[in-house]
Amino acid sequence: EAGVVQSPRYKIIEKKQPVAFWCNPISGHNTLYWYLQNLGQGPELLIRYENEEAVDDSQLPKDRFSAERLKGVDSTLKIQPAELGDSAVYLCASSFGSQGEQYFGPGTRLTVT
Amino acid sequence: GENVEQHPSTLSVQEGDSAVIKCTYSDSASNYFPWYKQELGKGPQLIIDIRSNVGEKKDQRIAVTLNKTAKHFSLHITETQPEDSAVYFCAASNSGGYQKVTFGTGTKLQVIP
Repeated sequence: EAGVVQSPRYKIIEKKQPVAFWCNPISGHNTLYWYLQNLGQGPELLIRYENEEAVDDSQLPKDRFSAERLKGVDSTLKIQPAELGDSAVYLCASSFGSQGEQYFGPGTRLTVT
Repeated sequence: GENVEQHPSTLSVQEGDSAVIKCTYSDSASNYFPWYKQELGKGPQLIIDIRSNVGEKKDQRIAVTLNKTAKHFSLHITETQPEDSAVYFCAASNSGGYQKVTFGTGTKLQVIP
């Protein structure tokens, strides 16, 4: 069974540029999470989807971050414009139902210069 | 909100020795405590978890203990092997499951052959 797929794996951009990350969850998993992981820290939840509905986006900085999961499967996380402090690893996870075990993807390492 | 503290931040042990990682949490309503292992370039992977109605849980070489009164929980790895080398995260949740998990800051474990 394929795991959570994320792309790109690495991204380097200049500050003020836009960037987008893509996530394909495990087949059949209706719950999808985006996490931010700073160097030397644990993951922090940005947003959680149940199917196509964002049920918890309280930690998403909405002035520059946006996310979508239009058909309840793949999801995209966008930052516009990016700032130096956005350099981090962005992790996607999915689960079967909100009580199910979360399976994490390998993450996208973003470097903003 | 929940705050999870974890120590030590780094831990080196000889192969075959035991390793212990300790965490404390702040929210007395937390009732679910998972532990994750994160290898380089990969996302976190659940290795063991414990719920608040249980004081100890064991799975082969890994065990977790929970002291609700003191609000701390620990991971014990016995007979460590080089492949145990990774970053370990404790986490806490007050939703009874995986919905909103607050992670600790991580412990980098190095097992020396």
